Amino acid sequence: NAGVTQTPKFQVLKTGQSMTLQCAQDMNHNSMYWYRQDPGMGLRLIYYSASEGTTDKGEVPNGYNVSRLNKREFSLRLESAAPSQTSVYFCASSEDRGPYNEQFFGPGTRLTVL
Amino acid sequence: AQSVTQPDIHITVSEGASLELRCNYSYGATPYLFWYVQSPGQGLQLLLKYFSGDTLVQGIKGFEAEFKRSQSSFNLRKPSVHWSDAAEYFCAVGARAGTALIFGKGTTLSVSS
Repeated sequence: NAGVTQTPKFQVLKTGQSMTLQCAQDMNHNSMYWYRQDPGMGLRLIYYSASEGTTDKGEVPNGYNVSRLNKREFSLRLESAAPSQTSVYFCASSEDRGPYNEQFFGPGTRLTVL
Repeated sequence: AQSVTQPDIHITVSEGASLELRCNYSYGATPYLFWYVQSPGQGLQLLLKYFSGDTLVQGIKGFEAEFKRSQSSFNLRKPSVHWSDAAEYFCAVGARAGTALIFGKGTTLSVSS
């Protein structure tokens, strides 16, 4: 099992450009999440999807859109990138057949917006 | 409001010394508590978790944590730190499966020789 994979690993954008961050999991998890990590801020939730076909906003959704393409894949789109979106983005997934909500994380995408 | 506080931004411990990282939470429902570790340039790895039962939980890499409901704390401990433990540590709290976790801002651990 590869677990949670993310592409790309690194990306540099100019202000106003768009891009999509891809995330896939092979653990048959129902729930998937997108977080951003900034120095001194910990991880903050952008969007999550509790099941295929549903998405919900998290703490910092402005400037982002998401698509739960199928059970495996959950993409994050920046329509018009801004320097404030320079961050490390992590995708995670969790299994819902128990109470724990243990989340498994991908390796991250390091995004710089100039 | 739901929140997690890690009071120590940065801690330095000598190799072989004991370690305690603090975590306090504020959560309305029964909390599920987690500690994650992040090595430089890497993703997050789960160290241990608490849901119910024994308030002292054991995790990977020799770590343990104790849940104290009266103090709203879930502190992480290790009796003898190794240089490879240098990393950033995150405490998180959540509810039922399918809901998001709330993370603390993290504690960076440095290990001196």
